Amino acid sequence: SQQGEEDPQALSIQEGENATMNCSYKTSINNLQWYRQNSGRGLVHLILIRSNEREKHSGRLRVTLDTSKKSSSLLITASRAADTASYFCATDGGSGNTGKLIFGQGTTLQVKP
Amino acid sequence: DAGVIQSPRHEVTEMGQEVTLRCKPISGHNSLFWYRQTMMRGLELLIYFNNNVPIDDSGMPEDRFSAKMPNASFSTLKIQPSEPRDSAVYFCASSLRTYNEQFFGPGTRLTVL
Repeated sequence: SQQGEEDPQALSIQEGENATMNCSYKTSINNLQWYRQNSGRGLVHLILIRSNEREKHSGRLRVTLDTSKKSSSLLITASRAADTASYFCATDGGSGNTGKLIFGQGTTLQVKP
Repeated sequence: DAGVIQSPRHEVTEMGQEVTLRCKPISGHNSLFWYRQTMMRGLELLIYFNNNVPIDDSGMPEDRFSAKMPNASFSTLKIQPSEPRDSAVYFCASSLRTYNEQFFGPGTRLTVL
C-alpha cells in the first residue's frame, strides 16, 4: 500500500476559504514533502518539512508534522481559483530507505471563484 | 534553466511496438527518477539513478521495461514490446541530492492501442 495516504480524496471550497489536507504514513521518515499537480502537468514541489520540525510556513501554505501520529497536514489559506490542483504528500521512508520518495494518492482541490 | 525536459510529449503506438521515452535532467542534479501515473495506481516510482548508476529498480513492472542513463544529462526508458496496459503518463524527475526536492518534467503521455 502507499506510504502516504491523503485525506480527503476530493475537496471543493469557495475562493477565500481555507483548505486543509491531511496525510498519514506508515514508517519512520527523514522528511515529508508536499507537491502540487495542475491538470496535465508535472508535479511541483511546494514545501519540505524535516522529521525534527513541527510546523513550517511558506506564503499562504502552512504544513504541520506529527511524527508520533505519523501524520501531516497542509493548510492553504485564503484560497484562490488558481490553487485548483491535486496535492500529494511524499515520504522518504526513513533511514533504511535507499532514497526514493513514495507518493500518496493525492487530494483533488477545487476552488470555485 | 530550462527545467527537466522530456520527449516526446505524446506517443501513440500499437501493441507490440518498441517505445523509447527520453529525459534530460536539470544540469548539476545527480539523482534521476522515472515515474508512471495512472488513475488506477496513482504515481509509481519505476526506477531511480544516483550519479548515473541505477539504485533501485524494484518498481519496474516487468522485463519489458528497461532504463539507462549513459551520462549525467540523458536517460531513456524503453518498453519492448509495449502493451495497452502500459498506457499512462510517464514522468522524469531530478534532484540535487537524493532526499531533496524533486523537479518534475512535463511528462510523456503514452497510449498503446
